[in-house]
Amino acid sequence: EAQVTQNPRYLITVTGKKLTVTCSQNMNHEYMSWYRQDPGLGLRQIYYSMNVEVTDKGDVPEGYKVSRKEKRNFPLILESPSPNQTSLYFCASGQGRHTDTQYFGPGTRLTVL
Amino acid sequence: AQKITQTQPGMFVQEKEAVTLDCTYDTSDPSYGLFWYKQPSSGEMIFLIYQGSYDQQNATEGRYSLNFQKARKSANLVISASQLGDSAMYFCAMRESMNTGNQFYFGTGTSLTVIP
Repeated sequence: EAQVTQNPRYLITVTGKKLTVTCSQNMNHEYMSWYRQDPGLGLRQIYYSMNVEVTDKGDVPEGYKVSRKEKRNFPLILESPSPNQTSLYFCASGQGRHTDTQYFGPGTRLTVL
Repeated sequence: AQKITQTQPGMFVQEKEAVTLDCTYDTSDPSYGLFWYKQPSSGEMIFLIYQGSYDQQNATEGRYSLNFQKARKSANLVISASQLGDSAMYFCAMRESMNTGNQFYFGTGTSLTVIP
């Protein structure tokens, strides 16, 4: 089954404790992206990647890191989480530049205390 | 300026009626794409429909159609014959590919409630 998977689905952590949210897709998509969703703000793009070893900042990259060492994986790293990073996070993938599709993972609800 | 504007925070529609959800966009990218997504209360993001900036005809997918008015920079979603299962948040999104790749912008969403 074609899908985007994220782990964990739920995470409660404390300020400053490094964490990684994994994202994996099995559709051989070139393009992958991370978003955060906050009430009243819609989704905002954090980082995106057009291919292996190619990553770029979206609208709200501060406090986040990403890497793309393999085509299928695109982990999101919070080196020192803060309470303002409490949010619902989505990973997504698509076919490439000018993509007409973007498939989303199920979401990761992160709470930083 | 906002890249995507959805001016209807909430909408109600009678079951079996049609409803239009508004979306306007702002871009200088000549090759952009417009998307609509549905987010039910369970939280997943479901792709509904896509319109490319060079597409001459309005996109349609089953009961969903996208009313694309390029000169007005609007991309309204029309849902025909509403069903109770259509109750959800709906997000309009735009893809720009001008510089280094695909940057996506989302609106703040419209909450649709279908009334029996």
